[in-house]
Amino acid sequence: DTGVSQDPRHKITKRGQNVTFRCDPISEHNRLYWYRQTLGQGPEFLTYFQNEAQLEKSRLLSDRFSAERPKGSFSTLEIQRTEQGDSAMYLCASSADGEQFFGPGTRLTVL
Amino acid sequence: GEDVEQSLFLSVREGDSSVINCTYTDSSSTYLYWYKQEPGAGLQLLTYIFSNMDMKQDQRLTVLLNKKDKHLSLRIADTQTGDSAIYFCAEKYGGSQGNLIFGKGTKLSVKP
Repeated sequence: DTGVSQDPRHKITKRGQNVTFRCDPISEHNRLYWYRQTLGQGPEFLTYFQNEAQLEKSRLLSDRFSAERPKGSFSTLEIQRTEQGDSAMYLCASSADGEQFFGPGTRLTVL
Repeated sequence: GEDVEQSLFLSVREGDSSVINCTYTDSSSTYLYWYKQEPGAGLQLLTYIFSNMDMKQDQRLTVLLNKKDKHLSLRIADTQTGDSAIYFCAEKYGGSQGNLIFGKGTKLSVKP
């Protein structure tokens, strides 16, 4: 399967812990996006990479969130000192120059 | 700010047509998209329309765009139980590098 993959699919953590998620985009897609989706809502944009450069960040991305795409391929999203309000589905998408293809998401539960 | 609105629920009988409506606010949107999300799954791109088009048809799916009213609709012909899902309308925000702004989704229930 050459679609977008995300790991882990589920993560349960205690408040205050750090978590890191990984996204592997479709190969040769130069654009990579992170979104967050809470229950009953549509996905909300968090941040965007073109190759290894992080070009845009949403106001939703607080200082506790950091994203990287070191070699312009896979990306990681880290949340430090997690809070219960961080519980959500974190979606990654990639694109070449048009439609965005989404991964299955990582569901985060903060206890 | 930019906003995309959809009705939250739609219920139809198998074999009928479904019409899901969406309104958006950003007049500089270049593309508008419809995504489908089944329980526990990611988002599947169904179709999209460029802002200079009025209509696009793709098998059972018809997208209509009224740019003047900023209104988008998705018609599913001969709706099947497998079409039961949440459908998201999204606009490609013209003021950005291309991130999408999504509505809250319309939950389509198809009754046999």
